[in-house]
Parts: sequence; structure tokens; C-alpha cells
Amino acid sequence: QKEVEQNSGPLSVPEGAIASLNCTYSDRGSQSFFWYRQYSGKSPELIMSIYSNGDKEDGRFTAQLNKASQYVSLLIRDSQPSDSATYLCAAYGSSNTGKLIFGQGTTLQVKP
Amino acid sequence: ETGVTQSPTHLIKTRGQQVTLRCSSQSGHNTVSWYQQALGQGPQFIFQYYREEENGRGNFPPRFSGLQFPNYSSELNVNALELDDSALYLCASSRLGSGNYQETQYFGPGTRLLVL
Repeated sequence: QKEVEQNSGPLSVPEGAIASLNCTYSDRGSQSFFWYRQYSGKSPELIMSIYSNGDKEDGRFTAQLNKASQYVSLLIRDSQPSDSATYLCAAYGSSNTGKLIFGQGTTLQVKP
Repeated sequence: ETGVTQSPTHLIKTRGQQVTLRCSSQSGHNTVSWYQQALGQGPQFIFQYYREEENGRGNFPPRFSGLQFPNYSSELNVNALELDDSALYLCASSRLGSGNYQETQYFGPGTRLLVL
């Protein structure tokens, strides 16, 4: 079992729709979770961090965390073609070594 | 722009050679972490440096080594390069706060290494 799992996609949504990206993790000791966006050929760029159960909103983005189900999600409202990228879910392991554990990423395609 | 810089941007080496990659951390950050990202995969943790010492290490052989300098910048050295070392190498800086709390990591632009 992978430590952080994501569906690789591609996830295709029409412009203006809600994109829903999901992630599960295996280490129950993980406390900090992150979503990064990565455009092709570029480095990961932080979108959201979330530490507590529930929802966290920032503009068009909402991160959701459910520690009991070991589940993290990212919703993108009013999706734009510029949102087309790979979205990486990451978590700190419980060992506190600075190791961010990444999923393989979900490719999102927003079609005009 | 995160304020994390890396050099060089691209590099071509041959199998068996050695390479040194460099990273300058964001102002106010005291840790540097290195990751290897193969095509189509998520980044894989190599190690983290804090106070000029290795704070944690991923599943990479000893030919991957690093340094952190007093100004918090860092180097990644890879000896005896193999074809599978071809990847995007990412540096991320962050703060290790009081109580050893790991804060958010911010990535530099990366160095793309090709081993022939």
C-alpha cells in the first residue's frame, strides 16, 4: 500500500465546473497535509495546507480533511483552463524528519 | 516566486560522473530538503538538512550526499551517476520551529539532470 495515494487521472472537467481531487494516506500519525500544483516542466507550487478536520477555503479552492477516514480532498470551483496541471497531495509522516510524502499526482484538464 | 533558488537549471552528465547541485533557501527558513522527481511520479524525499546536519533521510544510497552551510544554503552531491538518476531534482526550504514543528515547504524551480 502506497503511503499517499491519488488517482492519476486524467480528470477532465468543462470550464466553470467544480473539479474534485481526492487523496488517501496510510500513516495515522500524519498531522499536516498539503496540496501543490505542478505545471508541466515546472516545480510544485503550494496551493493549500490543512491541519484540522473539516474544510478550509481560499478563493476558488477548498481543502477538506477527514482524519478518521484518512482522506484529504481539494475542490476547485469555477475551473479555468489555467487550472490544467498536475495536483500533488502531500503529507508529513509521523517521524518528523522533514519528509514530505507525495502521491503520484492527479492530472486535471479543464476544457474551454 | 518562492524565494528559493537552484542552480544550474539543466545539466547533462555521463554515467559514472559526479554532480553537485546548489540551492539557496528562502529568507527566514532554516531547513533545506531535497527531492528527486522522475517523470510521471511524485517527488521522492532524499534528505533534509537543519543546522548543517542531516535531519532525516529517505531511501537513497550513500552516493547521494549533502551539505548545508551557515547561511542555510545547501548542496546535493551525487557520485557514480547512473542512468536512473536522470530526473528533476527539487530543493525545498522551510522552518523547523519550536518543539520541532515542521512548517510548510516551498520549492525552488528545480534542476533537470540527464545522465547519458
